[in-house]
Amino acid sequence: AQSVTQLGSHVSVSEGALVLLRCNYSSSVPPYLFWYVQYPNQGLQLLLKYTTGATLVKGINGFEAEFKKSETSFHLTKPSAHMSDAAEYFCAVTVNTNAGKSTFGDGTTLTVKP
Amino acid sequence: DTGVSQDPRHKITKRGQNVTFRCDPISEHNRLYWYRQTLGQGPEFLTYFQNEAQLEKSRLLSDRFSAERPKGSFSTLEIQRTEQGDSAMYLCASSLVSASTGELFFGEGSRLTVL
Repeated sequence: AQSVTQLGSHVSVSEGALVLLRCNYSSSVPPYLFWYVQYPNQGLQLLLKYTTGATLVKGINGFEAEFKKSETSFHLTKPSAHMSDAAEYFCAVTVNTNAGKSTFGDGTTLTVKP
Repeated sequence: DTGVSQDPRHKITKRGQNVTFRCDPISEHNRLYWYRQTLGQGPEFLTYFQNEAQLEKSRLLSDRFSAERPKGSFSTLEIQRTEQGDSAMYLCASSLVSASTGELFFGEGSRLTVL
């Protein structure tokens, strides 16, 4: 079975500072990895995904993540935080898209200070 | 292109009552998922359908819970004899199997409060 651990339930950064949200996964087979963002009172929406190929993936709103198999990590970064980035972020893993479900981490709430 | 829609968005009920939630997926999507999300936790998988077939159910889905997708389009999630522990956000998501990316498209959720 797969699992996801997000280190840090709350992260606070200043506007313009680097954003780093950590995600480690456990999977017995090559995973598909995802980051989703959830704004208050809204559903989750996809930020970016890794399936195969290039290990550095770029997503919407200037976010990117790097798949590191040796570290079983898929950390999310953004060079310069914007106030509108304040939200909750979820990392998710799917081991085989035909097997159906994704397993989510518990989320990291990002606060951006002016 | 309409996204995933869920109804109702909010439901307050008394313990012991039955509630039903409806999810309308993106029209061409053949997979439909139900997740539950409580405060401070990520979405927890409940069940999923491919077309009208229910392919997997989590052990979280007790016998008070039942989900259907009778014609392979919309789905309903019913909770019988609700308990306070059922209070949560119930999320529906859909996907297209042939797209093979595993990306889920979520609705805005149905928030259940059991008094």
